[in-house]
Amino acid sequence: ILNVEQSPQSLHVQEGDSTNFTCSFPSSNFYALHWYRWETAKSPEALFVMTLNGDEKKKGRISATLNTKEGYSYLYIKGSQPEDSATYLCAQGSSNTGKLIFGQGTTLQVKP
Amino acid sequence: GAGVSQSPSNKVTEKGKDVELRCDPISGHTALYWYRQSLGQGLEFLIYFQGNSAPDKSGLPSDRFSAERTGGSVSTLTIQRTQQEDSAVYLCASSVDGWYEQYFGPGTRLTVT
Repeated sequence: ILNVEQSPQSLHVQEGDSTNFTCSFPSSNFYALHWYRWETAKSPEALFVMTLNGDEKKKGRISATLNTKEGYSYLYIKGSQPEDSATYLCAQGSSNTGKLIFGQGTTLQVKP
Repeated sequence: GAGVSQSPSNKVTEKGKDVELRCDPISGHTALYWYRQSLGQGLEFLIYFQGNSAPDKSGLPSDRFSAERTGGSVSTLTIQRTQQEDSAVYLCASSVDGWYEQYFGPGTRLTVT
């Protein structure tokens, strides 16, 4: 994998459903994996920054895991709410540069 | 405290004109980034400033694009001889240091007519 890839591209779920997205990234020169939430008409907001293989982070109903050896991260949302509707971006930081490379995002729509 | 601010929030310009977009990062943040999001596209990296190091300009799409950061704080992104394909939302972000979480500004929506 040469780029940061996210799947699915979009997702529609009902309120109360739990869901998860995938972020795949190059495992070479890995330094950090970021997750951001980007709501319409707002700026992207950081959810998690993970650096260690096996890292798991949680914020309320949202959690994320990291596997640096195989180059993937999962974002989980438990009991989705309409206010969770947003585009979720992951980004990888490489050890040889401080810049982040973003995936195309997963757009989540939660129906009441 | 104050977040990242950008100005103007909206800019409409005629093809061929030059534009300047401004970013005020969070005080004390050494890293500053410019991105853009074109219609239907993801976040595209443009340029990255880290302290006094030479900026990483690897994302600038053409030599019409340039950016500077004065005094390690405010940054200006300049687009010369704008083209319609330059229409996008331009986002600025800052972080304490490279690799740390980034704080994004509200963006500048540029429309080239």
